[in-house]
This record gives sequence, structure tokens and C-alpha cells, in this order.
Amino acid sequence: DTAVSQTPKYLVTQMGNDKSIKCEQNLGHDTMYWYKQDSKKFLKIMFSYNNKELIINETVPNRFSPKSPDKAHLNLHINSLELGDSAVYFCASSPRTSGDYEQYFGPGTRLTVT
Amino acid sequence: RKEVEQDPGPFNVPEGATVAFNCTYSNSASQSFFWYRQDCRKEPKLLMSVYSSGNEDGRFTAQLNRASQYISLLIRDSKLSDSATYLCAVRRDYKLSFGAGTTVTVRA
Repeated sequence: DTAVSQTPKYLVTQMGNDKSIKCEQNLGHDTMYWYKQDSKKFLKIMFSYNNKELIINETVPNRFSPKSPDKAHLNLHINSLELGDSAVYFCASSPRTSGDYEQYFGPGTRLTVT
Repeated sequence: RKEVEQDPGPFNVPEGATVAFNCTYSNSASQSFFWYRQDCRKEPKLLMSVYSSGNEDGRFTAQLNRASQYISLLIRDSKLSDSATYLCAVRRDYKLSFGAGTTVTVRA
């Protein structure tokens, strides 16, 4: 009965590889997000989808491509991984795009690029 | 300048103490304000929303000062279980911006 789930939990890979992280929410929410938390603990929004439509696309290298096959899933594909991509990636969801709605976070995917 | 800034701490306090810390935000058009709690190697979880008139939730009190563009969190009667990083979050339109967090360690 996990609310927001992510796979994998840990990902260790070499520079130049391509990898994907998957996210699913069973809360019936319309909006999903990807955040990156770096080693300084700074949590930064990358993308947001509302009902499969991209609504936030921050200044992120185009090696990062989100895909939302339906409103319960939001995946993140990363091409040509670089050392600086090492971070924890959190998926989150909320009922709507705005308003005082809580964002529910997944457990995170700890990506290490060697 | 970062959109949301916090004193990283750490704040080391004994059990039972009161601890308070602030978060400043740069955009006066910000609409909603929140405190999230993040335990070590875990995901952030909402602690409380912050309302214009200030609000309490048990031992936690949050205040908003729009004129000076800061929010605050006060924890009374600290418990060991309050040890965590507290993230300030500010929403404008669709986007929620987080501070880097304030670490609180409560010691026995």
C-alpha cells in the first residue's frame, strides 16, 4: 500500500551509460514531480507533469528526459551519465498543481556515477 | 541569490529545550509556505503548512512575516525524535522551491 514508489532504490553506474528511474503513485493524484537532491542537501525541482502534460521544465540538461505514460506514472531517463549527476532523485505527487496541497515524496533513488 | 535560504545549523539542543529558526524567501509574489521534515537518508514529509496568522501543531509553531519575507519554525519541549533536517518550502504558481534545510539535533 505504498503511496509513491520508485525503482530502483540504488543505482551505481559508469559515466556515459544511459539509465532510467521509474515512479508510480497510487494516490489518484493529478500531478507528479521529479526533484534532485545533491550532496549539499539542496532539493531542486526538475520536472512536473499534470495529467501527463509537462508543466514545469527547469533548466535541466537535455540528457534528462521525463516520460509520463499515464497520470500514475512518471519515469526519468538519463542519457550519457556524468559524475555531476550523482545525487538522490525524488519523485513526488500532489492532488493538483497549485494550492496548499501536500507533496508526497517517494523514498528516493540514490544514483552514483563512477 | 537563492529563492529560499535557511541557516543550515546544526542546532544542538538538550531535550526539553526550545529551538527556533528562520527561512527567508526572495520572491514577494510567493503564495504558500510550508515546513517539511527530512530524516537522514529518507524522503521529505510535510510537517505543517504556514498560514498568514501563524499556526500551531502541538509543540510546533510556524509564523509568516510577509513584510520581511521570512517564515519561522519554533519547536517547544524538544524530543529526541525531533532530530531531523527541517526544509522550508515556498510555492509560487506551480513551483515549490525548497531551502537546503536546517539540521536540528536533540541530545539526551
